[in-house]
Amino acid sequence: DSGVTQTPKHLITATGQRVTLRCSPRSGDLSVYWYQQSLDQGLQFLIQYYNGEERAKGNILERFSAQQFPDLHSELNLSSLELGDSALYFCASSVGQGTNTGELFFGEGSRLTVL
Amino acid sequence: AQSVTQPDIHITVSEGASLELRCNYSYGATPYLFWYVQSPGQGLQLLLKYFSGDTLVQGIKGFEAEFKRSQSSFNLRKPSVHWSDAAEYFCAVAPDTGGGNKLTFGTGTQLKVEL
Repeated sequence: DSGVTQTPKHLITATGQRVTLRCSPRSGDLSVYWYQQSLDQGLQFLIQYYNGEERAKGNILERFSAQQFPDLHSELNLSSLELGDSALYFCASSVGQGTNTGELFFGEGSRLTVL
Repeated sequence: AQSVTQPDIHITVSEGASLELRCNYSYGATPYLFWYVQSPGQGLQLLLKYFSGDTLVQGIKGFEAEFKRSQSSFNLRKPSVHWSDAAEYFCAVAPDTGGGNKLTFGTGTQLKVEL
């Protein structure tokens, strides 16, 4: 158990809909990262938050947004869903804001299926 | 931009045999290098990391990796594979700056262990 909690574990929805994925980082970790894992794209970095502020941005679509709340949990919002958004979405956390501060601890992921 | 290549998509080894998973990276300076393992239905777990210093690094579960700058490689090894090592293995690279974290993952190598 990494200490990172993601909900829901599975989600099935229709095209055009909007969903919210939630992540609670390990106790004491200030950084939260979102990754998307799909068969055709592999593991892609989406976005990072550090102590409530956006810290780094990767291949995140404009239809997607994220935030980190004062209690440090984070939410990833996916809107106007398309079939290609079906993927496993991972949240990870770390103590600091850069990789030179240590490893990332990954949650078990939220599997999104868009029909 | 940094990139990671894992040339082997699938590898099958017999239990007790030695294992080497290949990883080549592309990055201008000395990168931070990682190996993660993903068991079925689980998130990613860090096996080991290289930041600097000794080029042979030891990790968990009996794994080790060697950083070879001349070959831009960071291959993962284990002298004797156990059936429980069957999983997907990801090599990852990150810039050596502290400005955020954008781990770039390889496409992964699926390891199958024959009993």
